[in-house]
Amino acid sequence: SQQGEEDPQALSIQEGENATMNCSYKTSINNLQWYRQNSGRGLVHLILIRSNEREKHSGRLRVTLDTSKKSSSLLITASRAADTASYFCAPLNTGNQFYFGTGTSLTVIP
Amino acid sequence: DADVTQTPRNRITKTGKRIMLECSQTKGHDRMYWYRQDPGLGLRLIYYSFDVKDINKGEISDGYSVSRQAQAKFSLSLESAIPNQTALYFCATSPDSRETQYFGPGTRLLVL
Repeated sequence: SQQGEEDPQALSIQEGENATMNCSYKTSINNLQWYRQNSGRGLVHLILIRSNEREKHSGRLRVTLDTSKKSSSLLITASRAADTASYFCAPLNTGNQFYFGTGTSLTVIP
Repeated sequence: DADVTQTPRNRITKTGKRIMLECSQTKGHDRMYWYRQDPGLGLRLIYYSFDVKDINKGEISDGYSVSRQAQAKFSLSLESAIPNQTALYFCATSPDSRETQYFGPGTRLLVL
């Protein structure tokens, strides 16, 4: 499969804690994107990291990319109840096709 | 108003019926996509279109067809619906194949 694979499948943390989600993929990529999905709704783009970048920040989000290990991580700092959602990675292969993973379900407990 | 809209939002149909899901966008993007989402399987690409004259099959196109009526409209049809096509369907657009995709709110389809 060319999908990104997120780990863990589910994560439950207390409000204020940090949440880390990992993504592994199998092919060479042009970039990798992270998306968020609130229950039953459309996906919303969070951040894009290009293959020549190693780290990127956006507000409370920090994404890393290690192309040698074919892996990426998404860190959400100081989590809030509103961060409760599913998070998907989407590696973009060199054929310019996205393959979404199955997602990490994050629950932030107030 | 939402940039990417999908109609209907919910649909119940019977096996063998033909149905159409519609997607419209006001973002001015050339690229449009149809995905389905099943529990535990993530999103899978059904069809995508780079412009009105360019339509391509995705990972799971069997049993589906599409029509790109205009830059802003991309429809997905199930010619003869079957129960395993019960899923959540999303339309998405992007300005470039390598850039952010913007998703519609989804259509929840139940095939009995």
